[in-house]
Amino acid sequence: SQKIEQNSEALNIQEGKTATLTCNYTNYSPAYLQWYRQDPGRGPVFLLLIRENEKEKRKERLKVTFDTTLKQSLFHITASQPADSATYLCALDRTGGYNKLIFGAGTRLAVHP
Amino acid sequence: DVKVTQSSRYLVKRTGEKVFLECVQDMDHENMFWYRQDPGLGLRLIYFSYDVKMKEKGDIPEGYSVSREKKERFSLILESASTNQTSMYLCASSFVGLAGGRNPYEQYFGPGTRLTVT
Repeated sequence: SQKIEQNSEALNIQEGKTATLTCNYTNYSPAYLQWYRQDPGRGPVFLLLIRENEKEKRKERLKVTFDTTLKQSLFHITASQPADSATYLCALDRTGGYNKLIFGAGTRLAVHP
Repeated sequence: DVKVTQSSRYLVKRTGEKVFLECVQDMDHENMFWYRQDPGLGLRLIYFSYDVKMKEKGDIPEGYSVSREKKERFSLILESASTNQTSMYLCASSFVGLAGGRNPYEQYFGPGTRLTVT
């Protein structure tokens, strides 16, 4: 069955540094991969989508890469700020249609001043 | 702005009670989803609906049912609440199709309902 793995340990970094989060998947070849941000006690919010034929996507300080050979996506936040502290979820489209997604468990990012 | 609202932020119920969680979206989305989120397990799909009165089971439908009588409203029902259903419940909705360059895979989430069953 489809499986997504994100680093369960929290990532602690210093303000101004680049945060890099990893998403690995198995048993599937998704057409799309998405990243969501979730703040405590809130629902996830969409950040970026990258298609299987795209290697890299950028949006302001965010960058996502998608390596279909390694079955891995990297999510980068450059010049990180304390306001970037949140949990980041990776999501893939899944078989069965209807635009269903399968989500990773998320990685918590803490940016310290 | 797309808005997805859920009827309660916090709910405490007793074992055996019938529980209704309501979700409303205001963007005329065809798809609606119910997830539960537990630490270390991520979001798990309970049920989804792709049209009024249409529904399909997700990954963990046991102990739950759903109702979609109107396009904007999707209800999750816990027939007889149990302590292992204590969780954060999240509703989401999404478009169908690629018209206007929109992303049909983007899901819009409500704020969540934290349900405690005692």
